[in-house]
Amino acid sequence: DSGVTQTPKHLITATGQRVTLRCSPRSGDLSVYWYQQSLDQGLQFLIQYYNGEERAKGNILERFSAQQFPDLHSELNLSSLELGDSALYFCASSPVFSGELFFGEGSRLTVL
Amino acid sequence: AQSVTQLDSQVPVFEEAPVELRCNYSSSVSVYLFWYVQYPNQGLQLLLKYLSGSTLVKGINGFEAEFNKSQTSFHLRKPSVHISDTAEYFCAVSENTGGFKTIFGAGTRLFVKA
Repeated sequence: DSGVTQTPKHLITATGQRVTLRCSPRSGDLSVYWYQQSLDQGLQFLIQYYNGEERAKGNILERFSAQQFPDLHSELNLSSLELGDSALYFCASSPVFSGELFFGEGSRLTVL
Repeated sequence: AQSVTQLDSQVPVFEEAPVELRCNYSSSVSVYLFWYVQYPNQGLQLLLKYLSGSTLVKGINGFEAEFNKSQTSFHLRKPSVHISDTAEYFCAVSENTGGFKTIFGAGTRLFVKA
């Protein structure tokens, strides 16, 4: 158990819909990262937050947005969903700026 | 921008044999290097990390890796593998550019055969 909690574990929705994925980092970790894992794209970095502020951005689509709240939990919002958005979405947290990541078990999104 | 190349997509090996999973990276600044393992239907977990100091780093489950700056490599090794080592292994590089953007390689599937 990494200490990172992600909900929901599985989500099935239709094209055009909007979903929200939630992540609670390990106790004491201020940084939260979001990754997308798919068979064709591998593990893609989406975005990083540190203590509520966006710190690094990767290949995140404009239809996707994220935020980190004062209690340090984070949410990833995916809108206007397309079939290609079907993937495993991971949240990770890290202590200070070490680069070492602790991953949650992921949220598997299926878009039909 | 940093990048990571894992040279083998799949590595089949017999139980108790040695194994090496290869990783090369590119970056214009100093980096931190990591190996993560992913078992089926699970998240990634850290095997080992290189932040600074000794270029030979030891991790969990008997794995070790050597940082070679001149060859920009960070190969993962284990002298004797077990069936339970069957998993996907990811090499990762992290640059400090105001925020730590950790980039992962495509992964190497290690398959240990009896």
